[in-house]
Amino acid sequence: GAGVSQSPSNKVTEKGKDVELRCDPISGHTALYWYRQSLGQGLEFLIYFQGNSAPDKSGLPSDRFSAERTGGSVSTLTIQRTQQEDSAVYLCASSLDGTGIQETQYFGPGTRLLVL
Amino acid sequence: QQQVKQSPQSLIVQKGGISIINCAYENTAFDYFPWYQQFPGKGPALLIAIRPDVSEKKEGRFTISFNKSAKQFSLHIMDSQPGDSATYFCAASRDSGYSTLTFGKGTMLLVSP
Repeated sequence: GAGVSQSPSNKVTEKGKDVELRCDPISGHTALYWYRQSLGQGLEFLIYFQGNSAPDKSGLPSDRFSAERTGGSVSTLTIQRTQQEDSAVYLCASSLDGTGIQETQYFGPGTRLLVL
Repeated sequence: QQQVKQSPQSLIVQKGGISIINCAYENTAFDYFPWYQQFPGKGPALLIAIRPDVSEKKEGRFTISFNKSAKQFSLHIMDSQPGDSATYFCAASRDSGYSTLTFGKGTMLLVSP
């Protein structure tokens, strides 16, 4: 596909369960970002991957959140022991090369997570 | 601490009117200011961006005005159309790929026919 894809598009889970959210960036993009979008709160930065460098995890809200990026492409965001306040839209974005000047970030459609 | 403040939260404009959304930032190190447009069920998409070497940038009906001394920037949508109805986010960052974007909370724009 030409754009960033995310799966699943919707996820309903029970409080306390773990969830995994997947992001496939645009082919050739070396920078990948995860954001969380809560109602009325805008986009909150979570984590940033650039090539083989150590990820910038400064936005992760708690140690229940983790992410990995395998082979410099696909990324998985994992939320352990989900809480109701984790309910939000989780957005992934990628850009061509996150090392120079700011480049356009291309966003996927998001995963809508609902924790009951 | 919210580093980018966006207003209004929502906006209703008649077709053909001018939509104006304002943002203010606190970090003087910011030097890249994009606006993103988001339709329901979709991810945000870059609309227009400005760097502080210019005070205004225009692309079609969309214009960014930038006031460095006031640390403010705004989006103007001229001749607003119903198809412009969406949520608009301003953002700011240092103009470096190592710098992540800080977003405002968004403005829901409704353009009435």
